[in-house]
Amino acid sequence: GAVVSQHPSWVICKSGTSVKIECRSLDFQATTMFWYRQFPKQSLMLMATSNEGSKATYEQGVEKDKFLINHASLTLSTLTVTSAHPEDSSFYICSASDLPGNEQFFGPGTRLTVL
Amino acid sequence: AQSVTQLGSHVSVSEGALVLLRCNYSSSVPPYLFWYVQYPNQGLQLLLKYTTGATLVKGINGFEAEFKKSETSFHLTKPSAHMSDAAEYFCAVTGPGGYQKVTFGTGTKLQVIP
Repeated sequence: GAVVSQHPSWVICKSGTSVKIECRSLDFQATTMFWYRQFPKQSLMLMATSNEGSKATYEQGVEKDKFLINHASLTLSTLTVTSAHPEDSSFYICSASDLPGNEQFFGPGTRLTVL
Repeated sequence: AQSVTQLGSHVSVSEGALVLLRCNYSSSVPPYLFWYVQYPNQGLQLLLKYTTGATLVKGINGFEAEFKKSETSFHLTKPSAHMSDAAEYFCAVTGPGGYQKVTFGTGTKLQVIP
């Protein structure tokens, strides 16, 4: 149980385009989802926390207009990187929990490369 | 605020040797502590966790960790390294409220030498 999937697993896009990454909880309802970014050889940094049906809470330094997060259902959250630039190239990982404060289960990650 | 320090960004051990990955934490409240493993280009897999109760925690793949409050440590060990253990390992701690905010350490890359 407690499986989280991400799609796509990797994506390459041109600079200036937008990319959408999906995070799904497959066997539980996730009221809270988290988005992390991991640069090469570095740790995971929390970007934002989203609760189903409400606006995401972004961490300091994360541009909310650039990284659009939608958590419209209890099993799906999306991260859209708008007007992507090469510096946005990173490994994006989501996690989900059934209730705020409960254990997070992590997805397999999405490798984004912006050319 | 909570924080995690992992000593040693790279650790090399011989196959069959003891694995010891160090983690020290800082937290103003009783912490929840985790060890995750990450294989190249993959997400995180939970190895083990400490919440309350027994301070020696056993996880998957033969790993275990001991919560030592007096030393604010949560070191990860495995008696005998296997080639398949080569990966990146992250120690993590939560803040008040349980799992809501997880803070990760910088990671330790484990190399297993045949």
